[in-house]
Amino acid sequence: EVRLVESGGALVQPGGSLRLSCAVSGVCFSCSWMYWVRHAPGKGLVWVSYIKTDGISTGYADSVKGRFTISRDNAENTLFLQMTSLRAEDTAVYYCARISNRGWQIDYWGQGTLVTVSS
Amino acid sequence: QSALTQPASVSGSPGQSITISCTGTSSDVGTFNYVSWYQQHPGKGPKLVISDVTNRPSGISNRFSGSKSGNTASLTISGLQAGDEADYYCSSYTASSPVVFGGGTKLTVL
Repeated sequence: EVRLVESGGALVQPGGSLRLSCAVSGVCFSCSWMYWVRHAPGKGLVWVSYIKTDGISTGYADSVKGRFTISRDNAENTLFLQMTSLRAEDTAVYYCARISNRGWQIDYWGQGTLVTVSS
Repeated sequence: QSALTQPASVSGSPGQSITISCTGTSSDVGTFNYVSWYQQHPGKGPKLVISDVTNRPSGISNRFSGSKSGNTASLTISGLQAGDEADYYCSSYTASSPVVFGGGTKLTVL
């Protein structure tokens, strides 16, 4: 069974930082490209960042570029998202997701972790 | 505003069929056959039900089917069951970013 389990979500003040983790099992993590995708209240899903297997090739949505950093530990089968300078508009459920080998589609998702940015 | 347009809600009675549309542009749905559909029950993560416009992953009921015409993709669920009640999201590869999603459609089984 493929499992993606996010953790690290919390209530944080504007300007604060947070690190999300995603533990992956049941699939070859080191072979997998990965996304972070978020779902803000009342809005649609939006991709936040991606990382390829080498851990060096990454991409970010304009809304988080320069503030968020994606990384991975292939030895520990874990994906990370370091978030800094958090804003109210970053409030969302954050999902990690595995990118399939066809056209950047997602084949597996985690259950999500809630990040709330508020004073 | 989401990049792909879905109806906010659809409904149907048990045993009936429903179709959810997903409208994009020639930069995404209209050009690429990398359209996926996801089912999400409350409190759970999304689950892939259709990929590559029409492909059903292993374990997904053949009551789920996908299609595409021009810039609009569609998900059809036949023989509606109570367990199909969920939110449904579409996604597409796009020329300008890896993926764009629809705003989601709430399916109610009456």
